[in-house]
Amino acid sequence: EADIYQTPRYLVIGTGKKITLECSQTMGHDKMYWYQQDPGMELHLIHYSYGVNSTEKGDLSSESTVSRIRTEHFPLTLESARPSHTSQYLCASSGRGEENYEQYFGPGTRLTVT
Amino acid sequence: GQSLEQPSEVTAVEGAIVQINCTYQTSGFYGLSWYQQHDGGAPTFLSYNALDGLEETGRFSSFLSRSDSYGYLLLQELQMKDSASYFCAGLYINQGGKLIFGQGTELSVKP
Repeated sequence: EADIYQTPRYLVIGTGKKITLECSQTMGHDKMYWYQQDPGMELHLIHYSYGVNSTEKGDLSSESTVSRIRTEHFPLTLESARPSHTSQYLCASSGRGEENYEQYFGPGTRLTVT
Repeated sequence: GQSLEQPSEVTAVEGAIVQINCTYQTSGFYGLSWYQQHDGGAPTFLSYNALDGLEETGRFSSFLSRSDSYGYLLLQELQMKDSASYFCAGLYINQGGKLIFGQGTELSVKP
């Protein structure tokens, strides 16, 4: 059983608000990821981290930022939410050396910006 | 950039066998993973192929052919609970070892 947690599970927020989506894992994995997924669509990588103090932008342009101060924690922040940010955000982690083919996903945060 | 192609939807009946295909771009390709995602849920890892051939895990098997830039997921003895979206995901070394996901195949299992 994978131990990766996301809070909140659901969030409805007004335009212009600052929000932080939390992600924590208890598996000691070095690698962590944030994906954005619209209903019925593919997962798009928006941020990833291969260790503490290491963060990179993914393939999909995003106005969010991330930090990795502790191995187990990888929060994502939106400084000013917009309706275009409405989506599901999935956090994942992996720990198999150079091969990241098996990722463990959290339950996701469904964000609605009104 | 890399992209993976898979059918958008497949329908099959309970007890049948279904094959979900995935084609991928070869530049930097290292291996192919498969994930299952039930509606509204988290994706879960099913299998991985780095070498050509078939990998079997219970009712699910996955196949890779590097010469054809192609792989598939085979689901046998279909059950209603197998109704879900299935994603192939390519592991690309020239992308820093990241997974690139296909658009997903929605499988509907009918009684």
